[in-house]
Amino acid sequence: AQTVTQSQPEMSVQEAETVTLSCTYDTSESNYYLFWYKQPPSRQMILVIRQEAYKQQNATENRFSVNFQKAAKSFSLKISDSQLGDTAMYFCAFTPYNNNDMRFGAGTRLTVKP
Amino acid sequence: EPEVTQTPSHQVTQMGQEVILRCVPISNHLYFYWYRQILGQKVEFLVSFYNNEISEKSEIFDDQFSVERPDGSNFTLKIRSTKLEDSAMYFCASSDGQTIQYFGAGTRLSVL
Repeated sequence: AQTVTQSQPEMSVQEAETVTLSCTYDTSESNYYLFWYKQPPSRQMILVIRQEAYKQQNATENRFSVNFQKAAKSFSLKISDSQLGDTAMYFCAFTPYNNNDMRFGAGTRLTVKP
Repeated sequence: EPEVTQTPSHQVTQMGQEVILRCVPISNHLYFYWYRQILGQKVEFLVSFYNNEISEKSEIFDDQFSVERPDGSNFTLKIRSTKLEDSAMYFCASSDGQTIQYFGAGTRLSVL
């Protein structure tokens, strides 16, 4: 069974600083995808970044980047130059290659302080 | 940018009643999903749907639940005889099969 673990229930960061959110997962699959989704107070799920397991290069989307360690089954999210609008719940998610059953972590509540 | 649309945004119902949650996936997508998020908890997979049939479902998706694609655009989740514990945010998602699932804004279901 695939499981996703986010060990940090809450984090805070000062505006303009950098923060890293942790995620580990467990799977026997060799081909899979990993995602970070953002859920602001509106509760909509917004895709932040994704990583294909077969790619060694870490994904980057503007201020968001990941540190993907396949052997360690670790997939952390780094947010640089944090902005007040980054305040949200962040969910790490895993889906096997067939993309049928997406598993989410419990989430990390990030607060960006002015 | 195309998006997944869910209606209503908030549904209030009495325990024991049936509810239908509606979703309009992105038009060229062929894979559809429902997820549930009980307040304060993680998002949980309910069911996936492809080619007019369920392709995978979780243990949560029991006989109380059903999904349907009644026409070429809508994808619905029916919950029969609602229980208090069905109160949650329900998310619809769609995909073209190329890895990314796009989520709707969710329907908040409140069972009283």
